[in-house]
Amino acid sequence: QVQLQESGPGLVKPSETLSLTCTVSGGSISSYYWSWIRQPPGKGLEWIGYIYYTGSTNYNPSLKSRVTMSEDTSKNQFSLKLSSVTAADTAVYYCARAGSSSADYFDHWGQGTLVTVSS
Amino acid sequence: QSVLTQPPSASGTPGQRVTISCSGSSSNIGRNTVIWYQQLPGTAPKLLIHTNNQRPSGVPDRFSGSKSGTSASLALSGLQSEDEADYYCAAWDDSLKGVVFGGGTKLTVL
Repeated sequence: QVQLQESGPGLVKPSETLSLTCTVSGGSISSYYWSWIRQPPGKGLEWIGYIYYTGSTNYNPSLKSRVTMSEDTSKNQFSLKLSSVTAADTAVYYCARAGSSSADYFDHWGQGTLVTVSS
Repeated sequence: QSVLTQPPSASGTPGQRVTISCSGSSSNIGRNTVIWYQQLPGTAPKLLIHTNNQRPSGVPDRFSGSKSGTSASLALSGLQSEDEADYYCAAWDDSLKGVVFGGGTKLTVL
């Protein structure tokens, strides 16, 4: 059974860069799309973007200028960097697996990690 | 402001049938398949329906999805107390070139 686990700092200062890593176990990150999704406290879901196992990426246009995703196949991990954060970036961040041929739905999710932006 | 529109709340009594609507546009639901997620309190979302009406293994057949034009709906029959959760619709958007979500519907079992 594929499992995903987010890790990274729970507190980030305004204007700094948020960095999270998702470790995948029970399966390889090859042959799938891997996404990040976030959820501000008490609000709905927002898709941040995906990275394909080939390394190609696609980001939400509203965040594109600040987002970078990467992967480390040797560690079976993929990562998210979000620069110049503000309080509006405070959210639970989820990593998730999408399909092997399409990125539109997520069948495996991490438990989520709360990142608070505050000085 | 979510790209897909859902009612903020819905409710029903045990055993009832409840439907949750999701409205989009030609660039998302009109051209692509609809997905539904269930989010129980304090947990990560769980895939409930994909490709408009397909249930992953383990999802009870009490849950069903449908799509018509630029709208979709999720139906829950034989409502149970454990169905109390937030439900989100989603779809790929060809204009935004990404996944868009509805704002979520909080289902209360009375």
